[in-house]
Amino acid sequence: GQNIDQPTEMTATEGAIVQINCTYQTSGFNGLFWYQQHAGEAPTFLSYNVLDGLEEKGRFSSFLSRSKGYSYLLLKELQMKDSASYLCAVRDTMYSGGGADGLTFGKGTHLIIQP
Amino acid sequence: DSGVTQTPKHLITATGQRVTLRCSPRSGDLSVYWYQQSLDQGLQFLIQYYNGEERAKGNILERFSAQQFPDLHSELNLSSLELGDSALYFCASSVAGAAKTQYFGPGTRLLVL
Repeated sequence: GQNIDQPTEMTATEGAIVQINCTYQTSGFNGLFWYQQHAGEAPTFLSYNVLDGLEEKGRFSSFLSRSKGYSYLLLKELQMKDSASYLCAVRDTMYSGGGADGLTFGKGTHLIIQP
Repeated sequence: DSGVTQTPKHLITATGQRVTLRCSPRSGDLSVYWYQQSLDQGLQFLIQYYNGEERAKGNILERFSAQQFPDLHSELNLSSLELGDSALYFCASSVAGAAKTQYFGPGTRLLVL
């Protein structure tokens, strides 16, 4: 089975840096995704990690350690529009292989940006 | 705009009824995925189709079924609806299975009264 844990809510200040952690347990790991979701809207893709290390994309970076079952999303130079939920998702080999790849999502971290 | 379209945007129906949700993937994408998002359960994978064939099944109830047509659009059928089926239903698409990115549509908000 799968289990994905991330904090329910975090608060940060405009212009600052915030790190959102995600831990996971899967029967067979095949990639980790981060999505951003504003209330009532569709999730939008932020990052993908399949190998250990850091992936940087502008103000957003994502890190993965497969041996620890751990990832984080780092957001720099926070802006008010970054207030949203951030979803950690794992592709498990239970659902993948032969072109199959449903994602298992954590419940999301609600990030509040204060002026 | 992800390029994935879903209709209808909102749906209100009664318990025991049946509804059909429709999804058109991004141009060129062969894989379609259905997800359900409720307040208490979060975003849950239901089912995946790839080029017309079922590829993976998640937490999909027996009362729910889906299919992907030759033009690659997909429909999710929900029957014998219960209050607990009220949720946001998202469709996503990707070029192929095991893709680096799944692109989500705007969702259909279903309310069962």
